[in-house]
Formats: sequence, C-alpha cells, structure tokens
Amino acid sequence: DVKVTQSSRYLVKRTGEKVFLECVQDMDHENMFWYRQDPGLGLRLIYFSYDVKMKEKGDIPEGYSVSREKKERFSLILESASTNQTSMYLCASSSFAQGGNEQFFGPGTRLTVL
Amino acid sequence: EDQVTQSPEALRLQEGESSSLNCSYTVSGLRGLFWYRQDPGKGPEFLFTLYSAGEEKEKERLKATLTKKESFLHITAPKPEDSATYLCAGLRSNDYKLSFGAGTTVTVRA
Repeated sequence: DVKVTQSSRYLVKRTGEKVFLECVQDMDHENMFWYRQDPGLGLRLIYFSYDVKMKEKGDIPEGYSVSREKKERFSLILESASTNQTSMYLCASSSFAQGGNEQFFGPGTRLTVL
Repeated sequence: EDQVTQSPEALRLQEGESSSLNCSYTVSGLRGLFWYRQDPGKGPEFLFTLYSAGEEKEKERLKATLTKKESFLHITAPKPEDSATYLCAGLRSNDYKLSFGAGTTVTVRA
C-alpha cells in the first residue's frame, strides 16, 4: 500500500526559530513535492525534487529551503519561521517510471508560528 | 498563467440528492486532470485521473468527466460519508507540476 509519512501532525514554533519538516515515502518514487494549503487559496507548490540531490523552486519558495539526501526522504526547512508561515504543509510523491502521474499525499503537518 | 477554478465553493446536499461539481481550467499543455478527496485535517486522497476530452471514470457514487475546458465530478445519490472537500488539479506537460483549484466542500445531511 502506498505510504507517505510526515514527521509531525501538529507543530508549534516561535518566530525566528529554524523549523524542519520531514517527509518519507516507501514507494520508491523519484518525485517528491512540498505544498502549503491555506483556506481559499488551495494547495500551492513550494519546492519539488525529481531525483536525489535535485531541487526545483515551485510557485512560492521564498522563506523556505529543501534537502533531499536520500530518495525516500524530502525535508522542508524554514530558516527563520515567521507568523505568515502558519499553515498546513503537505508532502507528496509520484513516479513517472511506474506509469502514473498521480501524486500521493501524506497526512499533513499543521504548523503554527507564534 | 495556469488557472484552475472550482465551483461552487460549498455545496450542501440532502442524502440521495444528486449534484455536480465543476472544475474549469486553463493549463498550458494539460497532461492530465486529477480529482482528489480531502477529509478535514488529512491529506488529499487520489480519486481519478482523466487524460482526454470525452473520458469518464467512475468509483462508487462518483463519476468524473472531462471536456476541453472543464471537468465535472458527479455525485449520484450521495451519503453522509461523501462529505468532504473535493479538489481538482491540472498537470502541465512541460514540467509535470500540478495546479490545484481551491476546492468544493460538500456536506451531505442524513
């Protein structure tokens, strides 16, 4: 069964803190994605990666960075958290090689920055 | 600029009252149109992929259809467990990125 897991369901951090969100997939997918979801705005792509050590900016990369040292793990980093980064963060993975284009999502991390 | 617009924003149905959700899109080089279901506090769950105009896919009480400019998700005789937010997304062929709509929140009352 397809599985994407995220390290925390809920996280509360203070302004200025460095925040790490971890995502792991067990499907051997080559593509991984980080989105944030806000009411009325839908899902917006922050960063994505098509391979280990590769990263591409999405639509809203400002204030974020990513790391992909292993195929199964994709980390989102908030270098200095700000209140406008309070949001639901969703990780997803997909594979072109396995014949489908659909992205499979993790359960999400609800981050609150105080 | 790619755009995916869903309507209505919210839909309240009585159990058994069939209805349709709309997803209109302008996505350059659309490679596929995806429908997801999202329950409160959870990640989106994949439902369907549609690749070409005229294509239809069904799953239980849900049927998705695709034209050249829009997609519809038909809910036939809904039950309370069909209550969720339904998201559609267009996949671009040049970079395989998904553009999501804001979603339609469906509430089905018993």
